[in-house]
Amino acid sequence: AQKITQTQPGMFVQEKEAVTLDCTYDTSDQSYGLFWYKQPSSGEMIFLIYQGSYDEQNATEGRYSLNFQKARKSANLVISASQLGDSAMYFCAMSPEKKLTFGTGTQLKVEL
Amino acid sequence: DGGITQSPKYLFRKEGQNVTLSCEQNLNHDAMYWYRQDPGQGLRLIYYSQIVNDFQKGDIAEGYSVSREKKESFPLTVTSAQKNPTAFYLCASSIATGGHQPQHFGDGTRLSIL
Repeated sequence: AQKITQTQPGMFVQEKEAVTLDCTYDTSDQSYGLFWYKQPSSGEMIFLIYQGSYDEQNATEGRYSLNFQKARKSANLVISASQLGDSAMYFCAMSPEKKLTFGTGTQLKVEL
Repeated sequence: DGGITQSPKYLFRKEGQNVTLSCEQNLNHDAMYWYRQDPGQGLRLIYYSQIVNDFQKGDIAEGYSVSREKKESFPLTVTSAQKNPTAFYLCASSIATGGHQPQHFGDGTRLSIL
């Protein structure tokens, strides 16, 4: 069985600062994908970034980067230059097969 | 624009009533999914479908039913057997099932009991 752990229920960051959201995972599969999603208060889930288990380089998408440490089974999301619009719930998820397993999320609040 | 459309945005159910949530996608994706989200929790998989006329139970399928008669459509019925249906329901699709395909989500339906 797969498990995703997000240990930070809530985080605060000042505008223009960088922030790291933690995610650890547990799986016995060798091939899997790791994903981060953003959920604003309106409810929709927005796909942010993907990392494959065999990718040697960390994934980046604009201001988002994924700090992938395979031996530690961690896949932390780094948001650079935070903006007020980044305030939302962030979910880490993984998928070795046909379905995604989600963590419980981290609520990020960006302050002026 | 391509995307996933869920309707209605809000839905109320009376005791003993079945209700159906609509999910339509025009992304030409083969795989579609239904998730349930309770307050303060992540998403839990209800059902998924890899191709037309085929679907599999997820982690919390009891009290729910689905159909996949068309590639674009994957409606979810919340039956009267689901005793605690109040939740936020999200539909998603992906090019195919598999660990390396991101899923794209609709805007969700909030279901409440009257």
